[in-house]
Amino acid sequence: GDSVTQMEGPVTLSEEAFLTINCTYTATGYPSLFWYVQYPGEGLQLLLKATKADDKGSNKGFEATYRKETTSFHLEKGSVQVSDSAVYFCALLKNTGNQFYFGTGTSLTVIP
Amino acid sequence: DGGITQSPKYLFRKEGQNVTLSCEQNLNHDAMYWYRQDPGQGLRLIYYSQIVNDFQKGDIAEGYSVSREKKESFPLTVTSAQKNPTAFYLCASLLGHSGANVLTFGAGSRLTVL
Repeated sequence: GDSVTQMEGPVTLSEEAFLTINCTYTATGYPSLFWYVQYPGEGLQLLLKATKADDKGSNKGFEATYRKETTSFHLEKGSVQVSDSAVYFCALLKNTGNQFYFGTGTSLTVIP
Repeated sequence: DGGITQSPKYLFRKEGQNVTLSCEQNLNHDAMYWYRQDPGQGLRLIYYSQIVNDFQKGDIAEGYSVSREKKESFPLTVTSAQKNPTAFYLCASLLGHSGANVLTFGAGSRLTVL
């Protein structure tokens, strides 16, 4: 079945460090891919998305490229800030139906 | 501004009681979802509804019930049959058209069983 696997956390980085959170997916067809972010005690917010192969989603310095050949959608940021501390979820939406599949989330803590 | 409103934000329940979590959206979205989130875990789908008066079970529907009498409302009832209801509950909605759909979430409701 369809699924998303993302890197287990927690991840702890110093401010200004480079961030990578790995995400791979299993799906038939051509799903859309998403990264959501969840700050403590809040709901999930869309961070970025990509709808087809080789698309790059970007927002707030975060980027992820839809790689169909490796079925991946890794999240990257060149220089993290303390305010980036949150839980990050990778997700996919199949191109048929309205069913989302979420990874288990990766907790990121950035220390000054 | 359009969005999803969940209430209450915090709820305490005694064992054996049913509780209802409210979810209202003014985005004119067709589909609505309920997810459960436990500490350190991902989101698990409880129920979803694509249109008014229709809904489907998700992966963990046992012990929960929903209704979709209006497009903007999708309340979730946690019944006494749910053996471990303490969790964070998230409601979400989706426009319903194919393509680059984005799932929009409410702020969540935290249920604690005493």
